[in-house]
Amino acid sequence: AQTVTQSQPEMSVQEAETVTLSCTYDTSENNYYLFWYKQPPSRQMILVIRQEAYKQQNATENRFSVNFQKAAKSFSLKISDSQLGDTAMYFCGLYTGANSKLTFGKGITLSVRP
Amino acid sequence: GAGVSQSPSNKVTEKGKDVELRCDPISGHTALYWYRQSLGQGLEFLIYFQGNSAPDKSGLPSDRFSAERTGGSVSTLTIQRTQQEDSAVYLCASSLDLEGQYFGPGTRLTVL
Repeated sequence: AQTVTQSQPEMSVQEAETVTLSCTYDTSENNYYLFWYKQPPSRQMILVIRQEAYKQQNATENRFSVNFQKAAKSFSLKISDSQLGDTAMYFCGLYTGANSKLTFGKGITLSVRP
Repeated sequence: GAGVSQSPSNKVTEKGKDVELRCDPISGHTALYWYRQSLGQGLEFLIYFQGNSAPDKSGLPSDRFSAERTGGSVSTLTIQRTQQEDSAVYLCASSLDLEGQYFGPGTRLTVL
């Protein structure tokens, strides 16, 4: 079985500041993929960033970067220079080839304050 | 190119009625997923189609739920004899290999 845990239900950050969202996971697979998705109030799920487990280098997409700690099974998302449009729910996801499913955490609500 | 589309965007029905929710995946995507998201909650996996293989139905909550994917493209999720606890947003996603799943805007189902 694979699990994804997002223990922080909500966070708040001042505009232009940096915030880190936590995620831990568990899987017995050695090859897997990790994702962060953003869901704004419009409810459209948007893929933010993706990390292959076999890559040691942390993925980066503009203001979004991850801290992937494979041994600790930790996959946090850092948002730099937070913008009001970053206000959304953020879901961490784990995909393994074993069952071809994307397992999501419960999500975290991020509010960016002006 | 167009993204994943779903219809209707909102559906209100009476308890006991059947409903059909439609998903048009991104052209060429071989995998298609249905999820359910209750208010303020995470995503609950329902069913997964991959190419011509038999679907993975392990997430369907009861036998009132079924889904089909015709011609490896469009998918329909059917809920029979709807109950109030079926009220949720139903999300469809498609993917090609392991690049990540691309989601549709969802259908908000309200069962009165």
